[in-house]
Amino acid sequence: KQEVTQIPAALSVPEGENLVLNCSFTDSAIYNLQWFRQDPGKGLTSLLLIQSSQREQTSGRLNASLDKSSGRSTLYIAASQPGDSATYLCAVRGGETSGSRLTFGEGTQLTVNP
Amino acid sequence: GAGVSQSPRYKVTKRGQDVALRCDPISGHVSLYWYRQALGQGPEFLTYFNYEAQQDKSGLPNDRFSAERPEGSISTLTIQRTEQRDSAMYRCASSLLAGGPGETQYFGPGTRLLVL
Repeated sequence: KQEVTQIPAALSVPEGENLVLNCSFTDSAIYNLQWFRQDPGKGLTSLLLIQSSQREQTSGRLNASLDKSSGRSTLYIAASQPGDSATYLCAVRGGETSGSRLTFGEGTQLTVNP
Repeated sequence: GAGVSQSPRYKVTKRGQDVALRCDPISGHVSLYWYRQALGQGPEFLTYFNYEAQQDKSGLPNDRFSAERPEGSISTLTIQRTEQRDSAMYRCASSLLAGGPGETQYFGPGTRLLVL
């Protein structure tokens, strides 16, 4: 059974700092990995999707990397802003036996202080 | 529609009552997913559909939970004889078509269920 772990569970940083969120998964047979942002009262917003054949994806100040063989992904946020405060969730879509379900980690709650 | 919509947004019910949660996916999306999210946890998979066919219901916790998508668009998740442990956020997602490494699931705002 696929398990996804995110470290740290919570993070508080001053505005402007660069930061790294970590995600690990137990079964390397994945189709893709997604990073989502969750804001209170709203749905999950997909930030980046990395296919299993890819090593990284970038969108603006966000960069996500994937090391499938070691079962790890990192989300790098450059020059953090108070508007980045949210919970960040990592999710993997497993291989053939897992169907299309996403398996999520428990999330990292990020607070960026002005 | 512009995004995935869910109704009601909040539902308070008494233990033992049945509830029906509705999901309206993005227009044209073939695949629809249901997840349940407890406070402080990530979402957990419940079930998913391609068109009207339920492809995987292995995540449904017991036979009090059922889902349908009769016309391949709107879906209803029904919980019979609710229990307090059913209290959670229920999230719906849709995608263009399940499968393929580039598939992105788009999530709705969720229905917060509280069973008293």
